[in-house]
Amino acid sequence: AQTVTQSQPEMSVQEAETVTLSCTYDTSESDYYLFWYKQPPSRQMILVIRQEAYKQQNATENRFSVNFQKAAKSFSLKISDSQLGDAAMYFCAYATVSTASKLTFGTGTRLQVTL
Amino acid sequence: NAGVTQTPKFRVLKTGQSMTLLCAQDMNHEYMYWYRQDPGMGLRLIHYSVGEGTTAKGEVPDGYNVSRLKKQNFLLGLESAAPSQTSVYFCASSYSAGGQPQHFGDGTRLSIL
Repeated sequence: AQTVTQSQPEMSVQEAETVTLSCTYDTSESDYYLFWYKQPPSRQMILVIRQEAYKQQNATENRFSVNFQKAAKSFSLKISDSQLGDAAMYFCAYATVSTASKLTFGTGTRLQVTL
Repeated sequence: NAGVTQTPKFRVLKTGQSMTLLCAQDMNHEYMYWYRQDPGMGLRLIHYSVGEGTTAKGEVPDGYNVSRLKKQNFLLGLESAAPSQTSVYFCASSYSAGGQPQHFGDGTRLSIL
């Protein structure tokens, strides 16, 4: 079974600084996808970024980028120029093509942004 | 654009009562999913559907049933609610497999007394 591990229950960053959230996963599949979802206090699940495992290039979305290390099964999220609105729970998730894209989630990292 | 709509948003039940959570999507998505979120844990998959008339078990299916009679709706039923089913329930949908991102509803907070 696939597992996703987020070893940082909480992180804190100052406004305008950069923070990196860690995620590791375990799989025997070769074709899969990785995601970061943001959950603010409103409880919504918002897609932040998506990475296709067969692509070596790291995905980026504005201030959000990932460091995807396939051999190490690592998928970290870097948030640059942090803003107060970035404060939320962040979940790393994994899906395979062969399993109807069912998502397996990590336990989340709560990010605080301070002035 | 409505996206994924969950009904109700909150509900309190007594142990042994039954209820149905409704999920509706207006994006013509084939795939739909039900997850539960408990404190300190990520979302866990309860049941899912890969198309109208199909359902399949996820990671934590016990105590739940689902139906997908219409493509746009995915119902989650609790036949005899238990306190262990107190949770926040999320519905999601995606256009297809192949790593298409899932779109989530706003969640239903369910408390079983």
